[in-house]
Amino acid sequence: RKEVEQDPGPFNVPEGATVAFNCTYSNSASQSFFWYRQDCRKEPKLLMSVYSSGNEDGRFTAQLNRASQYISLLIRDSKLSDSATYLCVVKKQTGRRALTFGSGTRLQVQP
Amino acid sequence: NAGVTQTPKFQVLKTGQSMTLQCAQDMNHNSMYWYRQDPGMGLRLIYYSASEGTTDKGEVPNGYNVSRLNKREFSLRLESAAPSQTSVYFCASAEPVNTEAFFGQGTRLTVV
Repeated sequence: RKEVEQDPGPFNVPEGATVAFNCTYSNSASQSFFWYRQDCRKEPKLLMSVYSSGNEDGRFTAQLNRASQYISLLIRDSKLSDSATYLCVVKKQTGRRALTFGSGTRLQVQP
Repeated sequence: NAGVTQTPKFQVLKTGQSMTLQCAQDMNHNSMYWYRQDPGMGLRLIYYSASEGTTDKGEVPNGYNVSRLNKREFSLRLESAAPSQTSVYFCASAEPVNTEAFFGQGTRLTVV
């Protein structure tokens, strides 16, 4: 079983739609959680960190459920520029403290 | 602000050839990483360095070696390239406390 699992998509949505991505992680030692965005053939860039209380950044809302080991990202009022692959990322605070990536969910926002 | 710089951006190797991918960061980060990205596989950790002078294996280290030359530079070496090493390679750096990782632009490597 992969340590971080995501639905690969693609999600094809019209402009203005609301779309949600889910991610599960298997290692209960994971302590930090992030969503990264990756445009085609580019490097990943941090979209937002995910906090236990949930957090919002403009049109983007991230939620964490530690009991279910589940992370979500909600995008409201989708824009064409939101088209990208969204990577769910976890990090342990002990042992090997590198980022572990999910395989990504591809979003295509259509006019 | 350069951030993380990787060279080369593209490379084609023949099976059995060797090469070194270079990575340098100017953010004074202690931690540096090498990942590879294959279609449908996400980014997988090859090696990482928690600080200058230390390196540790990641998820897929076989066929690779690394050198943390100093705090700024972390190189990845393929001693005898194989077609299975065709991939996009990303170097990243991070300060453990902040945890956000910054990535270089990637090296697209093809082994024929």
